[in-house]
Amino acid sequence: ILNVEQSPQSLHVQEGDSTNFTCSFPSSNFYALHWYRWETAKSPEALFVMTLNGDEKKKGRISATLNTKEGYSYLYIKGSQPEDSATYLCAFTINNDMRFGAGTRLTVKP
Amino acid sequence: EPEVTQTPSHQVTQMGQEVILRCVPISNHLYFYWYRQILGQKVEFLVSFYNNEISEKSEIFDDQFSVERPDGSNFTLKIRSTKLEDSAMYFCASVPTVDRGNSPLHFGNGTRLTVT
Repeated sequence: ILNVEQSPQSLHVQEGDSTNFTCSFPSSNFYALHWYRWETAKSPEALFVMTLNGDEKKKGRISATLNTKEGYSYLYIKGSQPEDSATYLCAFTINNDMRFGAGTRLTVKP
Repeated sequence: EPEVTQTPSHQVTQMGQEVILRCVPISNHLYFYWYRQILGQKVEFLVSFYNNEISEKSEIFDDQFSVERPDGSNFTLKIRSTKLEDSAMYFCASVPTVDRGNSPLHFGNGTRLTVT
């Protein structure tokens, strides 16, 4: 069974705080791990696609790491801003079958 | 930048009625998907479509569901006889390559289906 778990379910931080959350996935037969950012009333937007163990990707203040051997990925946001408020989804791909986690809902208070 | 577009943004229908949700994927993309999210639950895979046929489908995608690409641009999801539990946000997505796992999905804005 492909089960992707994300934690925490929700997170409230103050503007300027740095934060991180976790995506856990089955470590066998790994193919790719995706992170998406989903703002209310908009479509999910791709942040990263990661395939290699030890991969680290960065986009502005957001970065992600990948450990395929132990089956986890971390997403980091440095110096959170109110516009970072969104649900962050991770999705695990195996044999072209993509399964999503439930997401982490981030709220950044000014 | 090209976008995936979905219509309508919100559809209200009575139980037992047929609905068709419409999507226009990005024009040079090869694989098309429907996902749904029931309020408060995970985003769930329904079906993928390639070369004018279904590539994979989930256990959710039963005989009540069908997909079509009738004219080379639209990609539709039909639910023949809607049930209350079909109420969800339905997302269309597409990818440009056959290496699907390695390509980010491009999502539309979704259609919120409400079955009463």
